[in-house]
Amino acid sequence: GAVVSQHPSRVICKSGTSVKIECRSLDFQATTMFWYRQFPKQSLMLMATSNEGSKATYEQGVEKDKFLINHASLTLSTLTVTSAHPEDSSFYICSAGLGDTGELFFGEGSRLTVL
Amino acid sequence: AQTVTQSQPEMSVQEAETVTLSCTYDTSESDYYLFWYKQPPSRQMILVIRQEAYKQQNATENRFSVNFQKAAKSFSLKISDSQLGDAAMYFCASFSGTYKYIFGTGTRLKVLA
Repeated sequence: GAVVSQHPSRVICKSGTSVKIECRSLDFQATTMFWYRQFPKQSLMLMATSNEGSKATYEQGVEKDKFLINHASLTLSTLTVTSAHPEDSSFYICSAGLGDTGELFFGEGSRLTVL
Repeated sequence: AQTVTQSQPEMSVQEAETVTLSCTYDTSESDYYLFWYKQPPSRQMILVIRQEAYKQQNATENRFSVNFQKAAKSFSLKISDSQLGDAAMYFCASFSGTYKYIFGTGTRLKVLA
């Protein structure tokens, strides 16, 4: 199956700093990638849809200036959490689809801890 | 609005036994897919099984099978001969349109040795 890789898997930062998380499709081209946030013992919340070469589409309630998404190539999307605060601490997961089957391939996830 | 409901926050099963995880959904779409994803403690989610709504036959993948009741909008997952490695969070999801996914709240499955 297709492989999606996320980096870093864990990051700890100070409040007020910015953190970048990368999501790569390793063996296929992904024109669309998705960013999710997962709180402990809860489901995945779609934050935004990342489109290669165009602006991301954010879900209602997600601050686009807070969570900057860039999809500069067909294999890379980045999520930058700007001016991070402790409430941004969470597990962030990216995914990409391949073909028309509807199946999503997920990255390993990135655990962000803001001190 | 599209919804996916998993009413069992947690389930336990004895090793080698069979367990069924419940999922109901609601959608106004005529074409859609249903999925079960597994999220092990390592956290990377992987696909367990997929069902196309237009197919009447229930999907099966080795020890995993579904009971798809389209009229009742029910999509349960049966795991036979449960193994310790099956312990994980299981998410039911529906998909239609342009990768518009709706995930359920998940069921944590514990496998008892």
